[in-house]
Amino acid sequence: GQNIDQPTEMTATEGAIVQINCTYQTSGFNGLFWYQQHAGEAPTFLSYNVLDGLEEKGRFSSFLSRSKGYSYLLLKELQMKDSASYLCAAVDSNYQLIWGAGTKLIIKP
Amino acid sequence: NAGVTQTPKFRVLKTGQSMTLLCAQDMNHEYMYWYRQDPGMGLRLIHYSVGEGTTAKGEVPDGYNVSRLKKQNFLLGLESAAPSQTSVYFCASSLPSGGGTDTQYFGPGTRLTVL
Repeated sequence: GQNIDQPTEMTATEGAIVQINCTYQTSGFNGLFWYQQHAGEAPTFLSYNVLDGLEEKGRFSSFLSRSKGYSYLLLKELQMKDSASYLCAAVDSNYQLIWGAGTKLIIKP
Repeated sequence: NAGVTQTPKFRVLKTGQSMTLLCAQDMNHEYMYWYRQDPGMGLRLIHYSVGEGTTAKGEVPDGYNVSRLKKQNFLLGLESAAPSQTSVYFCASSLPSGGGTDTQYFGPGTRLTVL
């Protein structure tokens, strides 16, 4: 079957760095998305990786290892507004998105 | 641009009632999707459309119907609501080139409670 695993909840301190991991098992693979979702709001796009390696976008970076079925989202210089859920979604061989349950990130002052 | 909009934002139904959720997008996207989001679970695809006049089943289509009569609108219908359909429903759309590798843009969601 197809499966996405990510931690349910993480806590970090304002100004620090946090890494949110995601492992995936899919029938075929055509890339991986990260989305941010604030409570009560819509998911919004953060990143898309299809090749191995790290992609950096300002304070946020996303890493992919296709051989390990593994990705992470790295958030630097954490701000209170980064408190949200972070959703990992892998694209399978039929170009359907398989979504993880999300990681709720709590930022403490 | 308004992006993706959904109406209504909230709705309470009694078991057996019917309703239609409306999704509209003004980005000229070909692909549109309906998801449900339940606590502790990932987004699950209900139905999707790859263009005007076309629809297809997703992962959890039972109990729902859809229509895409106009490119900018995608309607989700519940013919006979059940408590198991209590959820938050999100509509999304993606670029003209289509395919799962295109970024999906989401509407604000509809919070549905079925009593």
